[in-house]
Amino acid sequence: GQNIDQPTEMTATEGAIVQINCTYQTSGFNGLFWYQQHAGEAPTFLSYNVLDGLEEKGRFSSFLSRSKGYSYLLLKELQMKDSASYLCAGLDSNYQLIWGAGTKLIIKP
Amino acid sequence: GAVVSQHPSRVICKSGTSVKIECRSLDFQATTMFWYRQFPKQSLMLMATSNEGSKATYEQGVEKDKFLINHASLTLSTLTVTSAHPEDSSFYICSARGTSDYNEQFFGPGTRLTVL
Repeated sequence: GQNIDQPTEMTATEGAIVQINCTYQTSGFNGLFWYQQHAGEAPTFLSYNVLDGLEEKGRFSSFLSRSKGYSYLLLKELQMKDSASYLCAGLDSNYQLIWGAGTKLIIKP
Repeated sequence: GAVVSQHPSRVICKSGTSVKIECRSLDFQATTMFWYRQFPKQSLMLMATSNEGSKATYEQGVEKDKFLINHASLTLSTLTVTSAHPEDSSFYICSARGTSDYNEQFFGPGTRLTVL
């Protein structure tokens, strides 16, 4: 079956760095997405990886290892507004998104 | 960037009534639109995939006669919750897939449905 695993909740300190891990099993693979979702709002796109390696975009970076079925989202210089849920989603062979349950990130001052 | 609008943002209705939610892609043509439902503290659940001009494909466990989806044009899809009941209260989110290289889905802002 298809499955996306990520931690349920993480806590980090303002100004610090946090890494949110995601492992995936999909029928075929056409890439991996990370979305940010604030409470009561729709998800917003953060990153997309389809090749192995690190993609950096400002304070956020995303890494993919296809051989390991593994990705992580790295957030640097954490700000209070980064408190949100982070959703990992794999794109399968039918170009359907398979969603993880999301990681709730709590930022403390 | 691509913008998807959703209307209404919030709706409260009585049990037994029907509610229509509209999803529009404002600055691009969306051949495929997706409807999701999200219960509190849970992840997105795909309900159905709709392609313009054809019948929607529903996920297992989603009643197609209860959740009517119409994708009449490349910029508009509607979801009608028929004979709504309190257990249908949820956050309904649509997304539209454009024609970018990596099939990104652009999400609407969501509709909070409360059935009394």
